[in-house]
Amino acid sequence: QVQLRESGPGLVKPSETLSLTCNVSGYSIKSAHYWGWIRQSPEKGLEWIGSVYHSGSTYYNPSLQSRLTISVDTSKNQFSLRLTSVTAADTAVYYCARAPGQYQLLSLWGQGTLVTVSS
Amino acid sequence: EIVLTQSPATLSFSPGERATLSCRASQSVSSSLIAWYQQKPGQAPRLLIQGASSRVPGIPDRFSGSGSGTDFTLTISRLEPEDFAVYFCQQYGSSSGTFGGGTKVEI
Repeated sequence: QVQLRESGPGLVKPSETLSLTCNVSGYSIKSAHYWGWIRQSPEKGLEWIGSVYHSGSTYYNPSLQSRLTISVDTSKNQFSLRLTSVTAADTAVYYCARAPGQYQLLSLWGQGTLVTVSS
Repeated sequence: EIVLTQSPATLSFSPGERATLSCRASQSVSSSLIAWYQQKPGQAPRLLIQGASSRVPGIPDRFSGSGSGTDFTLTISRLEPEDFAVYFCQQYGSSSGTFGGGTKVEI
C-alpha cells in the first residue's frame, strides 16, 4: 500500500525558507510517476505548487517559480520542497501527492501538514 | 491563467437525492483536462474523475462527470451519507493547474 507523509517545521519566520520533505512508502519513487506538492489555505483555496518527475525534471506553478525548488532523492525514497522568502500569504496546509499520469493530476495524497509563517 | 468557478458554494440535499455540481472555466480547457476531487473535513482531497468523465478505479459508479469546453458537471446519482463533503474541480491542461473554489454538499 503506497503512502505519502509530509514532514518539516510547522512554523517559519517571514523572509526565511520553508522546507518540507515527503517520504514515500510502499513504492519505489525512482520507478516512475510524477510527485507533486499542493497547498490549501482559506484565502487562496487549493493551489498546485509544482511537481518533479522520478528522473528529476521539474514543473513549477509560474506564480511561485522564482522562489521554488522541488527535488527528488531516490536513495531515500523521498522528494522535497523549498520555498524561499516566505510571507504570511504562504501559510497553508501543504500536501504531497503522486501523479501517475499528467504532472498536475494528483491521484494519491499525503495527510497534509500545516505550515504557519509568523515571527 | 484559467479561472474555474464553482457555484453555488453550498448545495443542500437529502440522502438518496441526485446532485449536480457545476464547474465553469474562464476559457476553453484543452482536451477536457478536468478533474474532480472530494474532500472531507480533516482529510486530503481524493481524486474521483479525470479527463472530465473517466471515473478513477475504486470510485462508485454513482459518480459521473461530463462536459467540454468551458462547462463541466459532476453528478452524484443517488447521495449516500458518506458523499456529503466538499467537491473541487481542477484543470490540468495549462501551466498553473488551477482549482475551483469548491462546492459543499450538505445534508
